[in-house]
Amino acid sequence: EVQLVESGGGLVQPGGSLRLSCAASGFTFGYYWMSWVRQAPGKGLEWVANIKEDGSERYYVESAKGRFTISRDNAKNSLYLQMNSLRAEDTAVYFCARDLISFDIWGQGTMVTVSS
Amino acid sequence: DIVMTQTPLSLSVTPGQPASISCKSSQSLLHSDGRTYLYWYLQKPGQSPQRLIYEVSSRFSGVPDRFSGSGSGTDFTLKISRVEAEDVGVYYCMQGIYLRTFGQGTKVEIK
Repeated sequence: EVQLVESGGGLVQPGGSLRLSCAASGFTFGYYWMSWVRQAPGKGLEWVANIKEDGSERYYVESAKGRFTISRDNAKNSLYLQMNSLRAEDTAVYFCARDLISFDIWGQGTMVTVSS
Repeated sequence: DIVMTQTPLSLSVTPGQPASISCKSSQSLLHSDGRTYLYWYLQKPGQSPQRLIYEVSSRFSGVPDRFSGSGSGTDFTLKISRVEAEDVGVYYCMQGIYLRTFGQGTKVEIK
């Protein structure tokens, strides 16, 4: 079964850091671009970042530049999002998704809450 | 950055009646390769989003033919010919020509 499973969310104080993980299964992970998409409580979807198949290209939404780092380990079929200098406005469910330009496979999401 | 603007933000529809959602982009989504990178998604309550339409008007496999997309350049429309109860949720357009940007979403409910 093709699947993406996120983990690593939780409660963190403003200014803190968190690393999200996404475990892929059921497909050849290293053949695909991957993205992180987030959704603040009761709000819409916001694309955060994506990464090329081999990790050689990475792109970010403006609000994530300099604070978030997307990475991947194809040997472990895993995608990561290192989030530093977290702000209250980063509070959201974070989804990983397979990126074919459209997102065809989504995980169930992991909740990140930034609050003191 | 490309801004995607959807209207309306909410819609209440009688089952069996049509529905239409507009999506406008701040820049043309027509690429030099001849493709227009406009997509539609539906997020049903409590679920992750699912794909409906790619490149303006092509339905993904398994999407009912009551869903159709149209438009060009910067103006796009998603139409549901006869709304069913299972169509409730939030619809998003998304551009893929430069990074990715979603519209604000349009919540569709049944009267």
